[in-house]
Amino acid sequence: SQKIEQNSEALNIQEGKTATLTCNYTNYSPAYLQWYRQDPGRGPVFLLLIRENEKEKRKERLKVTFDTTLKQSLFHITASQPADSATYLCALDALNFGNEKLTFGTGTRLTIIP
Amino acid sequence: DAGVIQSPRHEVTEMGQEVTLRCKPISGHDYLFWYRQTMMRGLELLIYFNNNVPIDDSGMPEDRFSAKMPNASFSTLKIQPSEPRDSAVYFCASSLGTGVGYGYTFGSGTRLTVV
Repeated sequence: SQKIEQNSEALNIQEGKTATLTCNYTNYSPAYLQWYRQDPGRGPVFLLLIRENEKEKRKERLKVTFDTTLKQSLFHITASQPADSATYLCALDALNFGNEKLTFGTGTRLTIIP
Repeated sequence: DAGVIQSPRHEVTEMGQEVTLRCKPISGHDYLFWYRQTMMRGLELLIYFNNNVPIDDSGMPEDRFSAKMPNASFSTLKIQPSEPRDSAVYFCASSLGTGVGYGYTFGSGTRLTVV
């Protein structure tokens, strides 16, 4: 069956360090992968998208890699700040006969410790 | 643009009652999605529309759930009759398109509690 796994439910990182979150998937052949941030009581907010033919994407302090051989994406936040504390979700398209669905992982709750 | 607008923010209802959740997508977005989020199952896609037409409702859990999009600026998700296991946060999201990898814009959600 199809599965999206994010490395851990919770991750604590010291302020200023790089936070690395992992998204692994099985039985998918995604055309692209997305990362979202979700704060308590709010809806997810789109951060970055990376396509299957892209190895790496950057946006300010964020970097995403996508390895379709390993079936894995890594999400990095450099020079982390307490304001980066949130739950981060990865999501894959599940294209099926032209019917596209975005399926989400369960998320990793990141806490940046001052 | 005010973003995706959902109402109500919170809904508490008794088992057996009808519940209607509302959503106004971003103007110009052709796709509208309804998701449900619980601690146990995370974010699950219930149904999505393209140009007001339902494309895939395979995620709708039971016949008690129905969704409509009468025009490009409004959609409803209805649960009739509601049950305690329907308690969750329901999100509406809209997007410019799919297939080319547009990000979704989510509303703030409706927290539904069925007692």
